[in-house]
Amino acid sequence: EVQLVESGGGLVQPGGSLRLSCATSGFIFSSYDMNWFRQAPGKGLEWVSYIATRSSPISYADSVKGRFIVTRDNAKNLLFLQMNSLRDEDTAVYYCVRDSEITDFDYWGHGALVTVSS
Amino acid sequence: DIVMTQTPLSSPVTLGQPASISCRSTQSLVHNDGNTYLSWLHQRPGQPPRLLIYKISNRFSGVPDRFSGSGAGTYFTLTISRVEAEDIGVYYCMQGTQFPYTVGQGTKLEIK
Repeated sequence: EVQLVESGGGLVQPGGSLRLSCATSGFIFSSYDMNWFRQAPGKGLEWVSYIATRSSPISYADSVKGRFIVTRDNAKNLLFLQMNSLRDEDTAVYYCVRDSEITDFDYWGHGALVTVSS
Repeated sequence: DIVMTQTPLSSPVTLGQPASISCRSTQSLVHNDGNTYLSWLHQRPGQPPRLLIYKISNRFSGVPDRFSGSGAGTYFTLTISRVEAEDIGVYYCMQGTQFPYTVGQGTKLEIK
């Protein structure tokens, strides 16, 4: 069974940093591209970042470019999102999403809530 | 950036009746590899999104056959042949053809 479990969310002050992790199981992690999406409270979905199987290429939404860094550890089946210089508007539930060549955005984690507030 | 526009934004439906949602993109979603990366997602209240349809018309594993997707190029449709109570929630179309990936505003399906 494919599982994606995000962790590392919490309350952080504006300008602060947070690192999200996504622990994966039930599939060969190193064979899949991965994405981060987010959803602000009461709002729609927004794509945040993409990372290919071997960590290149990588892509970011303009809203986070230069502040967020996506990485992966294929040996440990882990995906990460380092979030720096956080702003109020980064408050959201962050989802880890598998990206399959065949079935596209097929599995979503349950999400990690990040709240940026003073 | 490709903008995804869904209509309607809200859809009151009667159980057992059909429902459809439209999604339009500002550019063709046909990728250089020949695929069209248009997906439909469903999100129930308090839950993460789940994939319903990928590449326009392919139902994901476990998705009931009352859900179908159609379209091409820049215009796409999700159809539910007979709405059931568990179908309530928000439906999103999204494109994975070109970065940045973009998502429609969402369509809220409510039971009349």
